[in-house]
Amino acid sequence: GAVVSQHPSRVICKSGTSVKIECRSLDFQATTMFWYRQFPKKSLMLMATSNEGSKATYEQGVEKDKFLINHASLTLSTLTVTSAHPEDSSFYICSARAGRNYGYTFGSGTRLTVV
Amino acid sequence: DAKTTQPPSMDCAEGRAANLPCNHSTISGNEYVYWYRQIHSQGPQYIIHGLKNNETNEMASLIITEDRKSSTLILPHATLRDTAVYYCIVRVAGSGSARQLTFGSGTQLTVLP
Repeated sequence: GAVVSQHPSRVICKSGTSVKIECRSLDFQATTMFWYRQFPKKSLMLMATSNEGSKATYEQGVEKDKFLINHASLTLSTLTVTSAHPEDSSFYICSARAGRNYGYTFGSGTRLTVV
Repeated sequence: DAKTTQPPSMDCAEGRAANLPCNHSTISGNEYVYWYRQIHSQGPQYIIHGLKNNETNEMASLIITEDRKSSTLILPHATLRDTAVYYCIVRVAGSGSARQLTFGSGTQLTVLP
């Protein structure tokens, strides 16, 4: 079945630094990937839609200069949290779909803690 | 995509069937019902989906009412590992891969020993 790999699973960084999260589709090509954010005891909130070879589409209220998304190949999308602050601490999850006859596959998530 | 309503929490005894309801009274004819679950600190996992007929796979059964305004996810023999948040999502059928899934608040299922 379709597999999405997300790395790292958890990361701790200092305030002001940048952190990159990778999302890879292992056995299929994904022209579109999705990035979600989840706060404790809350549901997943879509942050942005990552499009291969073009700019990402950000949801209202999500700062595109802070959350940089790059989708340079059909199997890799990256989310970079720039100048991280403690309020950016959250669980970040990516997702992709192998095709319209497949369900959505999610990565295992990245727990970001900014200290 | 139609809005869904789920109870915030449910308990189920281990070994018994867990029946998770979902209301989607505004569903339209071309919208599928999807179920996902999220175990603590993991990404969501696909369970099952259906349009109007009941569906069954190795994980669960999905019962959709005749008017399609509600559905029930059934885990026939719940185990402790089924403790998770279960999300019912309604989405337009045949949509391209470019459309995201929108998550509601889900139901926290706790399987009790």
